[in-house]
Amino acid sequence: EVQLVESGGGLVQPGRSLRLSCTASGLTFVDYAVNWARQAPGKGLEGVGVIGTTPLGATTEYAASVKGRFTISRDDSKSIAYLQLNSLKTEDTAVYFCSLLYQLLPRKPPGWGQGTLVTVSS
Amino acid sequence: NFMLTQPHSVSESPGKTVTISCTRSSGSIASNYVQWYQQRPGSSPTTVIYEDNERPSGVPDRFSGSIDSSSNSASLTISGLKTEDEADYYCQSYDSNIQVFGGGTKLTVL
Repeated sequence: EVQLVESGGGLVQPGRSLRLSCTASGLTFVDYAVNWARQAPGKGLEGVGVIGTTPLGATTEYAASVKGRFTISRDDSKSIAYLQLNSLKTEDTAVYFCSLLYQLLPRKPPGWGQGTLVTVSS
Repeated sequence: NFMLTQPHSVSESPGKTVTISCTRSSGSIASNYVQWYQQRPGSSPTTVIYEDNERPSGVPDRFSGSIDSSSNSASLTISGLKTEDEADYYCQSYDSNIQVFGGGTKLTVL
């Protein structure tokens, strides 16, 4: 059974840092790109960034709202992707989700984790 | 950069059919695959349609997706509505590999 579990969320002061994890099981993690998205309380979904597969260079892309502050990385040996959040702002308060996108053919539907809540407040 | 625009809310009766639209502001709707996600209150999103019109196993065939280049939009159609279909629905595409989401549509089945 495929499972995605996000962890690492919590209450943090503005300007501080936090690292989120997305742990996958039941699949061949190296074959998946990892997307991070977030959802502020009562709002819609917003794409945060993506990391490609390691064989293709693990290329990263970021939304303008987080570029320069957030960093995505991956450890295929542990089937984990990370989202490093630096210089946090109150507007970064949200539930953060990871989703995996299969990169081989035939494609598989994206799978989502349950999310982890990040609250930025003094 | 582009935006995806969805109606804020739709409502329909059980047993009926509803279609939710998702219009792309610039660039062709066909240039990147469109996904549709269902999100019930307090839960994470689940995929109901991927790659424009593919349905994951376990998703009822009452759910279907399509794209229309003439209106530059994608659509999610749910037939034979059930009360359990009541949820928020989001369309999603990609811009430089980053997920771009529509604002979401609240479906009420009454």
